[in-house]
Amino acid sequence: DSGVTQTPKHLITATGQRVTLRCSPRSGDLSVYWYQQSLDQGLQFLIQYYNGEERAKGNILERFSAQQFPDLHSELNLSSLELGDSALYFCASSAEPTTGGQYFGPGTRLTVT
Amino acid sequence: QKEVEQDPGPLSVPEGAIVSLNCTYSNSAFQYFMWYRQYSRKGPELLMYTYSSGNKEDGRFTAQVDKSSKYISLFIRDSQPSDSATYLCAMGGGGTSYGKLTFGQGTILTVHP
Repeated sequence: DSGVTQTPKHLITATGQRVTLRCSPRSGDLSVYWYQQSLDQGLQFLIQYYNGEERAKGNILERFSAQQFPDLHSELNLSSLELGDSALYFCASSAEPTTGGQYFGPGTRLTVT
Repeated sequence: QKEVEQDPGPLSVPEGAIVSLNCTYSNSAFQYFMWYRQYSRKGPELLMYTYSSGNKEDGRFTAQVDKSSKYISLFIRDSQPSDSATYLCAMGGGGTSYGKLTFGQGTILTVHP
């Protein structure tokens, strides 16, 4: 158990809908990262927050957004969902930006039908 | 050309064998290197983190980094059936996306009794 929690574990929704994925980092970690894992693209970095501020951005779609709250939990919002958004979404956390490595949560499996 | 190249395998070895997993990369800005183990559809588990060229050992695992050749390796000694998983190399650092990890495609390893 990495100490990172994610909810929900599974999510099934229809195209065009909007969903919110939630992540709680390890106790004491200030950085939160979101990644998408699909069969054809592998693990892809989406976005990083550090202590409430956006720190780095990957190839995150404009339909996707994230934020980190004062209690350090983070939410990833996915809107206007398409079939191709079906994937595993992972949250990771670290104490400082990558010092000692990033610790991943169990993931949320999103299925868009 | 991908920034990080990893032989997807699959790799099948007998129990007790020494396993060698490798990645090459093209971005000389990468400063830190990690190896993750991922069981089917679970969150990646951090195995090794290293910041410099050379070897780092942790139990049955040894990580090796050669920055001059842009090549990293993970060796697993006395492999066990429980080591059967997908192994992912990851690297990051440098530039404005210091926290972003770039992953290899993963190598599928099976250790048979």
